[in-house]
Amino acid sequence: DIQMTQSPSSVSASVGDRVTITCRASQGISSWLAWFQQKPGKAPKLLIYAASTLQSGVPSRFSGSGSGTDFTLTISSLQPEDFATYYCQQANSFPRTFGGGTKVEIK
Amino acid sequence: EVQLVESGGGLVRPGGSLRLSCVASGFTFSSYAMHWVRQAPGKGPEYVSAITGNGDYTFYASSVTGRFTISRDNSKNTLYLQMGSLRLEDMAVYYCARILYESGGSYYDHWGQGTLVTVSS
Repeated sequence: DIQMTQSPSSVSASVGDRVTITCRASQGISSWLAWFQQKPGKAPKLLIYAASTLQSGVPSRFSGSGSGTDFTLTISSLQPEDFATYYCQQANSFPRTFGGGTKVEIK
Repeated sequence: EVQLVESGGGLVRPGGSLRLSCVASGFTFSSYAMHWVRQAPGKGPEYVSAITGNGDYTFYASSVTGRFTISRDNSKNTLYLQMGSLRLEDMAVYYCARILYESGGSYYDHWGQGTLVTVSS
């Protein structure tokens, strides 16, 4: 199975801050990577797929980059509604695997 | 509007069985592969099982192979997960998720609200 490692596991930030989350795959996955946002008690929401393509309706302050084994999710200017947990997920092979999550908290 | 609504979760004893359902609306159900994904309390999501749009092919995580069975009834726009020989570690919120094929890959673009499966004696 492909292991997905996210860092940091949590980050404290203020509204307006730039936040960067990284995700590393245990083997190359080309650009088959998705990012999800999850709020407490809710299902994950797809933000980005194919490493850098913004899902319809997702604000442009979210962006993704990377290929191979190293990926990044960036929130350019953190908004109050962005405080949540973020997961990366590889879509290269079965079983699909997720990172451990990064909790973005209010500073 | 795409909607996925799960049901069937509840409290079950170790070794017991449960059948989950996921009713889809707002899209042509038979055109989409569907997955079950679960999330244990305080943990990240975990892939459980997948099925192609016509139901011809199914896939399972190694942790559930031989115990769980995924199926679908396209005439009823419904996805199922039959769970047997349940273990404590199967306790989780179970989500059904639609598969989006884009840029050569497949991604979970819509999720249901989830149904909680509690395994306890």
